[in-house]
Formats: sequence, C-alpha cells, structure tokens
Amino acid sequence: ETGVTQTPRHLVMGMTNKKSLKCEQHLGHNAMYWYKQSAKKPLELMFVYNFKEQTENNSVPSRFSPECPNSSHLFLHLHTLQPEDSALYLCASSQEDSGGVGDTQYFGPGTRLTVL
Amino acid sequence: AQTVTQSQPEMSVQEAETVTLSCTYDTSESDYYLFWYKQPPSRQMILVIRQEAYKQQNATENRFSVNFQKAAKSFSLKISDSQLGDAAMYFCAYRTSGGYQKVTFGTGTKLQVIP
Repeated sequence: ETGVTQTPRHLVMGMTNKKSLKCEQHLGHNAMYWYKQSAKKPLELMFVYNFKEQTENNSVPSRFSPECPNSSHLFLHLHTLQPEDSALYLCASSQEDSGGVGDTQYFGPGTRLTVL
Repeated sequence: AQTVTQSQPEMSVQEAETVTLSCTYDTSESDYYLFWYKQPPSRQMILVIRQEAYKQQNATENRFSVNFQKAAKSFSLKISDSQLGDAAMYFCAYRTSGGYQKVTFGTGTKLQVIP
C-alpha cells in the first residue's frame, strides 16, 4: 500500500463503547497528525506527533487518547464519546526536519465516526 | 493567531471553463507557506498546489495556478479548462515556516462542475 491509510473507514459506536482508529503512513515521514472534520467548520487539529513525541494537544477532551508507537503508526483511542463527536477523523503525515521546517501534509481517507 | 477565510461556500463552473476560488488569510509572519487542498466526494484530501511566501512567482501545476498577493494577504486558485473530476471541496491552508507544522485551514469551497 502507498500513502496514508486509515481503518476502519466507517465506525458506529455507542456512548459507552471503547474503540480505536488506526492510521499508517508508508511515506517514511516522521510526523503524524489527527484532525477532526465537521460539517461547515474548518479542520480542527487535535494532536501532533513529531519524531514519535506528542508536541501538541489542542485542548482535546480526555475521551480522545492518541498513541504513536512508532513513526509509521498512529492510533486514536475513543472512550465514552458524545454524539457531538460524530465527524470525519483524518490522519495526516509529513516530513519534519529537526529544525521544525517541514513540508506538505499528506492525508488519509478518513474514518467516518457516528456516535449514537 | 492565524486565520484563513474562504468567502465562497459554493461555486459552479461549466465544463472547459475557468473558475477562481478566493482565499484570504491573516498573519503577522513574513515567511510562511500556503496550500490548496482538494477533497473529492471519496474524502481523500490531496494537495493541489503550494506557494512559499518568499517567492514572488505564482505557483502553477498544469491547469491549476494561484494568484498570490502577499501585501493583500490573498491567495486565490484558478482552475483552467475545468473537468468533471475537478468537482470537490477545496480548502485553502496556511502554515508558518518555523516551528512544528501547525496548519490552519479555511472552511472550504464546494466546486460543482456542470457538464
């Protein structure tokens, strides 16, 4: 596979469920991102991992928990979500040099999450 | 904080015609990057074109070109010879040149191509 892949593509869960979203990048990048995309709103950056270390958490509720075991894989663990968390969750990756001057972000196809 | 504004929620263009999507941004930085991303109905966001702020020359990629007006903080996308496959959501995005790569996106413009 090439590029950035995400699984599952669709997910329906109840408010008491625990689930995980998976992202894998095959581009040799060293930075990965989680975004939330809701209708009629700009993409919201949730988490950034540079060199496997979390460098940004944009005040995301603790019911979202990221995990980055290596530079190719990124997970988003979901627990006790609310209906307003229903959205498209996009993963992206980029190549960042050590000075923080990176380039274009490449996106996965997204996971369409519905919370009942 | 940087902001990106796309004032056209929806646009339509006749096939083979030219359309321009507008984008303005607000920043106090002098060095940064600007992007146009395309998100077709299949949802895979892909890069259309990018522009470095320090370059005066407007970026072009085949049928896609930008009009970058740094003083006016304007970054419009021109699509020439529009094709049915150009129908998608188009997002304008901004990124500073230093620090970690935080990208700010606009709300998007939905482009419809009429056969």
